[in-house]
Amino acid sequence: GQSLEQPSEVTAVEGAIVQINCTYQTSGFYGLSWYQQHDGGAPTFLSYNALDGLEETGRFSSFLSRSDSYGYLLLQELQMKDSASYFCAVRDWGNTPLVFGKGTRLSVIA
Amino acid sequence: DVKVTQSSRYLVKRTGEKVFLECVQDMDHENMFWYRQDPGLGLRLIYFSYDVKMKEKGDIPEGYSVSREKKERFSLILESASTNQTSMYLCASSSLEGGTYEQYFGPGTRLTVT
Repeated sequence: GQSLEQPSEVTAVEGAIVQINCTYQTSGFYGLSWYQQHDGGAPTFLSYNALDGLEETGRFSSFLSRSDSYGYLLLQELQMKDSASYFCAVRDWGNTPLVFGKGTRLSVIA
Repeated sequence: DVKVTQSSRYLVKRTGEKVFLECVQDMDHENMFWYRQDPGLGLRLIYFSYDVKMKEKGDIPEGYSVSREKKERFSLILESASTNQTSMYLCASSSLEGGTYEQYFGPGTRLTVT
């Protein structure tokens, strides 16, 4: 089976940096994706890591350690519009569906 | 831009009714997925399809069926709606070439069964 763990809620101050962690236990692993979902909206793809290390896309970065079965999403210079739910998702080998975590609700406060 | 559309944004049905949720994507994607999303439970996969007329069960297929007669269209069917199927239903698609790691989601259908 596959399971992913991420915190249910995180609160951070506008302008600060926040890290959302994701640990996974899977029978197979090919890569880790991150999605953002605003209230009432659809999930949108943020980033994907197949190799160990940090991937940077503007204010957002994503990290993966395959040996630790661990990844995180780093959001810098937080803005109010970053308040949303963030999901990590594991991709197994082949053309198999993603397995999603239960999501982390990020609240950015002034 | 990839566009995934769903037939209804909000839907109210009665217990026992047959319900059809339609999803259409315009990027010639091979993969299509149906999820339901409930508070605290995240996204749970109901069914997915890799090709026309092909379907595979996800984690929670009970009470649902699907149909994919054309590549761009993937339908979710609730044969006899029940109150525990009240939920947000999300359709997604992805390309075979790109793998499943980048999925494009539709806006969702919020279904209420009374």
